[in-house]
Amino acid sequence: AQKVTQAQTEISVVEKEDVTLDCVYETRDTTYYLFWYKQPPSGELVFLIRRNSFDEQNEISGRYSWNFQKSTSSFNFTITASQVVDSAVYFCALSEGNGNQFYFGTGTSLTVIP
Amino acid sequence: DTEVTQTPKHLVMGMTNKKSLKCEQHMGHRAMYWYKQKAKKPPELMFVYSYEKLSINESVPSRFSPECPNSSLLNLHLHALQPEDSALYLCASSQEDRGDQPQHFGDGTRLSIL
Repeated sequence: AQKVTQAQTEISVVEKEDVTLDCVYETRDTTYYLFWYKQPPSGELVFLIRRNSFDEQNEISGRYSWNFQKSTSSFNFTITASQVVDSAVYFCALSEGNGNQFYFGTGTSLTVIP
Repeated sequence: DTEVTQTPKHLVMGMTNKKSLKCEQHMGHRAMYWYKQKAKKPPELMFVYSYEKLSINESVPSRFSPECPNSSLLNLHLHALQPEDSALYLCASSQEDRGDQPQHFGDGTRLSIL
């Protein structure tokens, strides 16, 4: 079964619009970690954020914000006032308890149109 | 600039060639990883090295041979590859081989098998 689901395959928005990327995860562990990565066309995966299962506080970093809700097993990512440079594929990932393996979602390709 | 450096950035090789991909990090990380990524797919884990010892081999064919000469370097030796091995090969590192550690990725090597 897919441990991380990113239902949105592709999203297009016009510059300055807000956009939310959805991530739903599945795990039986009580301790787990969630990550978001950005992959621009150059190929490198850029680490954006890590959340552990015991910290449900939402986080804001500049135009980026993350909403972690254990009740719905979701860890959504919002970009406010999107810019062309935000165009990339965004991956949500899960790692469990004592494990060291990342379970990546299938990614959401975001295109910001000028 | 990424702190994980991969060379070469692009590689075209025939099915009978032998080549090597190289990865270097100077962040003092003790875990290093090789991933394979096909177009429009998430990265797939191939190998994990922890303290220079191979800890995970995700049933990768023997035509891929990893090597960790020291804590900063990771190689992937390629021999007799198949056209389906054409992909982006990503190297990553983390402080420790643990699930709470974010992995930091290089730009990748785009490999094409003729």
